Amino acid sequence: AQSVTQPDIHITVSEGASLELRCNYSYGATPYLFWYVQSPGQGLQLLLKYFSGDTLVQGIKGFEAEFKRSQSSFNLRKPSVHWSDAAEYFCAQGAGSYQLTFGKGTKLSVIP
Amino acid sequence: NAGVTQTPKFQVLKTGQSMTLQCAQDMNHEYMSWYRQDPGMGLRLIHYSVGAGITDQGEVPNGYNVSRSTTEDFPLRLLSAAPSQTSVYFCASSGRKTNTGELFFGEGSRLTVL
Repeated sequence: AQSVTQPDIHITVSEGASLELRCNYSYGATPYLFWYVQSPGQGLQLLLKYFSGDTLVQGIKGFEAEFKRSQSSFNLRKPSVHWSDAAEYFCAQGAGSYQLTFGKGTKLSVIP
Repeated sequence: NAGVTQTPKFQVLKTGQSMTLQCAQDMNHEYMSWYRQDPGMGLRLIHYSVGAGITDQGEVPNGYNVSRSTTEDFPLRLLSAAPSQTSVYFCASSGRKTNTGELFFGEGSRLTVL
């Protein structure tokens, strides 16, 4: 069975600082990987996705993620965090079917 | 575009009551699913459907029932609500045109069972 691990439950950063959220996925020949963001009281919005090609993918709101097969990782990064980025972030893995397996999420707090 | 619409947004039930959470999508997606979200647990798949007339169980199906009579609608039924079903429920859909299995989510339904 697929599994997705987000090691950090809660991260706090200062506004303007850089951010990296970690995600490790279980082995898969061709993983489809996603990062979603959930603002308080809202549904989940897709930030970015990877399924093939360039291992560095760009998403919305200035986020990017890098796929590293050797480390089974798909970490999310942003060079300068804004207060509006405070939210919960979920990494997810698919396998070509429609079902996604989600990590347990990382809550991001931003200090002004 | 409406996307995925869930109703109601909030509901309070007493133990043993039944109710249905509604989900509708207007993107002609084949795949629809229900997740529940609990603190520290992430999203867990309850039931899913790959087309009208086809449903299957996910990770946590007990206590829930689904049907898929049309492509657009995928209601989730709680037959006899229990406090353990207090949660936020999300409906999501996907279609072949998305190519990669990206899910589109509704805004969620917050259910409290007393």
